[in-house]
Parts: sequence; structure tokens; C-alpha cells
Amino acid sequence: QVTLKESGPVLVKPTETLTLTCTVSGFSLSNARMGVSWIRQPPGKALEWLAHIFSNDEKSYSTSLKSRLTISKDTSKSQVVLTMTNMDPVDTATYYCARIHYYDSRFDYWGQGTLVTVSS
Amino acid sequence: QSALTQPASVSGSPGQSITISCTGTSSDVGGYNYVSWYQQHPGKAPKLMIYEVSNRPSGVPDRFSGSKSGNTASLTISGLQAEDEADYYCSSYTSSSTHVVFGGGTKLTVL
Repeated sequence: QVTLKESGPVLVKPTETLTLTCTVSGFSLSNARMGVSWIRQPPGKALEWLAHIFSNDEKSYSTSLKSRLTISKDTSKSQVVLTMTNMDPVDTATYYCARIHYYDSRFDYWGQGTLVTVSS
Repeated sequence: QSALTQPASVSGSPGQSITISCTGTSSDVGGYNYVSWYQQHPGKAPKLMIYEVSNRPSGVPDRFSGSKSGNTASLTISGLQAEDEADYYCSSYTSSSTHVVFGGGTKLTVL
């Protein structure tokens, strides 16, 4: 059974750095056909893809947020970590991690999401 | 602004059929048969409904179908049910460095 679970702070202050962890089970981060993406959704708004990482450490970032994002993985811990620097209230959103297929970029399993609020 | 264009809303009555469009470019929707569709109920995570344009994952009712023509993909829901009321998002593989793009989402209302 494939599961993904996000963890991290629920509240961050403006200018702080956000660190989110996605812990996966039911598949390995060394699987060549799979990777993990981070996707966010501000309240009442659309999904926004942020970044992904594959088993060969291939990484991709949203063009608009690239300078603020870093994605990494610890295969032994089955964890993918996303950091976002210089947080702003507009970054308030539910952050999801999802499993992505390498060849067709479909997201077949999603975490439940974690709401992060940026406020002083 | 989302890379793929979807109508903001569609509606239909129970039992009817509706279609949601998703328009991109030759660099994404038109260039590859790698379009996916997701259903999202309020407060819930998205759920994969269609992948590779027209394939349904196990457990998705066959009332849901997908197609593509040129740079536009479509999701059709036939025999609308109240439980189909949700937001629907398309996504596509893209040849750009990001590898994936989303649509802006469509709110389906079952009247």
C-alpha cells in the first residue's frame, strides 16, 4: 500500500525558511520509474506544482520559485525534503507531496496535505 | 496564470453528460499523450481519475473518460451523479525543464 505523509510547521513567520518532509511507504525512492513532487494550493485557489526529485537525483523546480526552493531526498529514511526560503503571507497554502511517474508525469498517490500559514 | 487553460466552471444535471476542456500547446498537451485528470473534493487531496489521455486507474468508474484533439484534452463525465461535484484539474507532461504543468481547475456543479 503506497502512502505519503507530509510533516512540518503549521505556522511560519515572514522571511523565515520553511522545511517540509514527505515520508513515503509502499515504494522505494530508488525506484527508477518514480519520484516525489511537492505541489501547493493556496486557500480557494488552484494547484501549483513546485518541484520534484527522481531516484537518479534528477531535480526540477518551478520557474517562478526556483531561487527559493531546494528539494532533496534520503532514500534510507524514505523521505523527501523541501525547503522554501524567505516565506511571505502569499505562500500560505496547503502543501502536498505526491508520487510522480517519470515517463508521463502523472501523480498517482497524494499525501493528505499540510496547511502552512505565514503570519507574524 | 496557469500553463493549461480550463473553464472556470461547468454544470450539469444528474444523469447528464458534461465535458471539461484543457488547452495547452504543442510543447505539452499537443505533443505528448501524457495528459492526466484529477478530482478534488473540498478539503481533500486530489485523486487521479485519468492518465495518458484516456486510461482509468483501477477503481475509477467508467463514467469518466478522456480524449485529446490537437492541443486540447477533454474529460467527459457521463451519467452525472451528485458525488461528482468537485474541482477538476488537468496536467500534462511538458518538454520544458519543469516536466509537468497544471491547468487552473474547473468547478463542476451538479444541479
